[in-house]
Amino acid sequence: KQEVTQIPAALSVPEGENLVLNCSFTDSAIYNLQWFRQDPGKGLTSLLLIQSSQREQTSGRLNASLDKSSGRSTLYIAASQPGDSATYLCAVRPESGNTPLVFGKGTRLSVIA
Amino acid sequence: GAVVSQHPSRVICKSGTSVKIECRSLDFQATTMFWYRQFPKQSLMLMATSNEGSKATYEQGVEKDKFLINHASLTLSTLTVTSAHPEDSSFYICSARRASYNEQFFGPGTRLTVL
Repeated sequence: KQEVTQIPAALSVPEGENLVLNCSFTDSAIYNLQWFRQDPGKGLTSLLLIQSSQREQTSGRLNASLDKSSGRSTLYIAASQPGDSATYLCAVRPESGNTPLVFGKGTRLSVIA
Repeated sequence: GAVVSQHPSRVICKSGTSVKIECRSLDFQATTMFWYRQFPKQSLMLMATSNEGSKATYEQGVEKDKFLINHASLTLSTLTVTSAHPEDSSFYICSARRASYNEQFFGPGTRLTVL
């Protein structure tokens, strides 16, 4: 059974810092991997989707990498801002069938002004 | 494009009542919809997967008679929490995927509070 782990569980950084969030998954047979942002009491906002054949995706200050064989992904946030404060969730779609995303527990990020 | 809506966004009910949550794909046809629940500071836990016109497939430990899921059309799925109890209080999030498409799109969630 696929399990997704995110480290650290919480992170607090001063504004302007670059930071890396980590995600690992136990079964490398994945179809794709997505990073989401969730603000308190709100739904999910999709940030980046990486296909299993891709190594990375970029959107603005965000860069996500994928090392499928080692079961790892990282989300890099450049020049962090207080508005980046949120919980970041990593989710993988298993390779077989029309299967749902499996989520990690998230990293709660606080960017201090 | 690819917008998923949920209604209501928030509901408070008395213990023993039933609550229906609607999930709609606004600009695409969702062949598959997923229902998740999320407890405070926890991740999303999959409850069930439903394909249009078929019975939902429930995850282990989820009572199908308590959480009734209907996916009667390609744009609408409903989750009914029957005889709700305080322990059912949670954040319920639906997600939709269209055929031959990679991405799952998520609704904004419904906060259920059972008194």
